[in-house]
Amino acid sequence: GAGVSQTPSNKVTEKGKYVELRCDPISGHTALYWYRQSLGQGPEFLIYFQGTGAADDSGLPNDRFFAVRPEGSVSTLKIQRTERGDSAVYLCASSRKAGPAETGELFFGEGSRLTVL
Amino acid sequence: QKEVEQNSGPLSVPEGAIASLNCTYSDRGSQSFFWYRQYSGKSPELIMFIYSNGDKEDGRFTAQLNKASQYVSLLIRDSQPSDSATYLCAVKHSGYALNFGKGTSLLVTP
Repeated sequence: GAGVSQTPSNKVTEKGKYVELRCDPISGHTALYWYRQSLGQGPEFLIYFQGTGAADDSGLPNDRFFAVRPEGSVSTLKIQRTERGDSAVYLCASSRKAGPAETGELFFGEGSRLTVL
Repeated sequence: QKEVEQNSGPLSVPEGAIASLNCTYSDRGSQSFFWYRQYSGKSPELIMFIYSNGDKEDGRFTAQLNKASQYVSLLIRDSQPSDSATYLCAVKHSGYALNFGKGTSLLVTP
């Protein structure tokens, strides 16, 4: 497809389980971002990739969260030992340009809604 | 902490009126400013960005930036019911990430 694709669209899991969320960015976009959005809040930055490397992971809340982008395209956000407070919509976004000079036009996917019971 | 503040609303305006959405930010080093629109259950989409002090117009939308007051606003002229959504202000500092406010809910009533 032409847009950012995220799977699964919905994920229900039990506390303590491991979860993987996948993002396929727009073809040719080198910059990839993960955000988390809770109900009634704006998107909260988690991590930014330029190519294969994580250029900024300062938003990851703790070491249970990890993300990879091994070939510079698809990215996976991994959450270990999930907690109820992890429940949110996880948004992936990609951008044509990289670095601080980019326009900031992020193209968002529809998100993966995670519910931890 | 780099904060972006918005009134959560809801802001209700009649169809055809001007809607004014406001945002303040805490980091004086902020370089660029964005307005995203988010319909309920959907992902954010970019409406406008602005880098320099003053006004920037695009169709029915005008973004206004005042760096001295650390204030950015979005005006929507001739508001339509289809403009009803949450409007997110986002600020880019020196790094890579956009920092978003909580958003203002706008309701345009016919």
